[in-house]
Amino acid sequence: QVQLQESGPGLVKPSQTLSLTCSVSGASINTGVYYWSWIRQNPGKGLEWIGNIYYRGTTYSNPSLRSRVSILVDTSKNQFSLRLRSVTAADTAVYYCAREVGYSYGNFDYWGQGTLVTVSS
Amino acid sequence: QSALTQPASVSGSPGQSITISCTGTSSDIGDYNFVSWFQQHPGKAPKLLIYEVTNRPSGVSNRFSGSKSGNTASLTISGLQAEDEADYYCTSYITNSRVFGGGTKVTVL
Repeated sequence: QVQLQESGPGLVKPSQTLSLTCSVSGASINTGVYYWSWIRQNPGKGLEWIGNIYYRGTTYSNPSLRSRVSILVDTSKNQFSLRLRSVTAADTAVYYCAREVGYSYGNFDYWGQGTLVTVSS
Repeated sequence: QSALTQPASVSGSPGQSITISCTGTSSDIGDYNFVSWFQQHPGKAPKLLIYEVTNRPSGVSNRFSGSKSGNTASLTISGLQAEDEADYYCTSYITNSRVFGGGTKVTVL
């Protein structure tokens, strides 16, 4: 059974860096068959794709966030992480990590439960 | 990239069929057969219903079906049930990125 679990601070101050980790169990990040993704949902709003990473380290991100986003992978821990710099209140959201089937773009077959991150002083 | 356009709400009676549209452009939906649909109940993570326009993952009811014409994709729910009351989102591939729709709230009357 594939499971993804987000972890990280629930409160971040404006202008600081949001850091989240996604721990994967039941599947190996190293298989090369999947992209490992971050998606967020502002309170009461729709979904927004943040970006993804391939096990070899190749990353892609939403053009609107690209200048502030870093996505890293740690295959030894079977984890991947998100760094979002210079946050503002607009970055307050539930952040999900998800698995996307390779070359089946948008096929997010497994999701974490999501973690709420609030940006506030 | 701009968000895909979905109706804010759609409603139907139990047993009826409803269709949710998802309109994009020739750069996303119109250019790729990579449209997915998700169902989200309050406080829960989204659940994959359809991928690559028409394909259903194992375990998803065949009451859910997807299609595409030009720049618009559609999700049809047949035999509407109370448990189908939820938010529904579409997503499409766009070069090296993904774009979601704004979501549609389905109400079962």
